[in-house]
Amino acid sequence: GAGVSQSPRYKVAKRGQDVALRCDPISGHVSLFWYQQALGQGPEFLTYFQNEAQLDKSGLPSDRFFAERPEGSVSTLKIQRTQQEDSAVYLCASSSTAGAREQYFGPGTRLTVT
Amino acid sequence: LAKTTQPISMDSYEGQEVNITCSHNNIATNDYITWYQQFPSQGPRFIIQGYKTKVTNEVASLFIPADRKSSTLSLPRVSLSDTAVYYCLVGPRMDSSYKLIFGSGTRLLVRP
Repeated sequence: GAGVSQSPRYKVAKRGQDVALRCDPISGHVSLFWYQQALGQGPEFLTYFQNEAQLDKSGLPSDRFFAERPEGSVSTLKIQRTQQEDSAVYLCASSSTAGAREQYFGPGTRLTVT
Repeated sequence: LAKTTQPISMDSYEGQEVNITCSHNNIATNDYITWYQQFPSQGPRFIIQGYKTKVTNEVASLFIPADRKSSTLSLPRVSLSDTAVYYCLVGPRMDSSYKLIFGSGTRLLVRP
C-alpha cells in the first residue's frame, strides 16, 4: 500500500521567503508528526497532531514555524521568513494509534535556504 | 527520558553478522527499546522493538539482558544494502508524550 508521501522533495528558498511543505500520511492514520533533521544528526521532534488537533508543538523552534492539519489527513508545515539555519530535511511520520512507537516516515523534504 | 549511547560508526563485510550495542543505564520500568534504520535520502524505518529477553523478526534480532541497561541489535549475514544509520530509542510503548527521541545513531558501512 501507499506509504507516507511528502512534497516537494527538494526546495530551495531565498532567505526571507515563505515555504510550505506538504505531508500525505497513510490513509486512516490518526497520528501525524513532523521532525527536523540536520545533516549528520538524528531527527528532532517538531510537532504532533492527533486527527486535526495539534496536541504538541513544543519542538517548533520559533513562531516562524506553523503547522496545520485541518481535516485530519494532509498536513502542511509552513515556515515564514526563512533563515539559513532552517536548512534541513523535514520529515513527516504517521502512526495508526496515538502514542505508538512504530511510526511510518516519509522520504522528507530537503530545504536549502540561500 | 532515558539517554542512550551507541557507537558512532561500525564497519563490516558482506555475509558477516553485525551486533550494535546500545547503553541505556537509566531505563525506566515502563520503557521499551525500539530500533530504527535510516538509508540515505529516506526517512527512518522501524525495525524492531522489545522489552526484555529476545525478540526476533525477519529483519533482525534484539537481545536485552535481565538488567535492561543495554540492548544489542543483531543483523545476520549483512549485505551491502544494510549500509545505513541505526538508531536506538528508549521510551514508553504507548505514552502521551508521543514523540520519538533520536540520538545521532550508529553509521554502519558494509563493504564487499
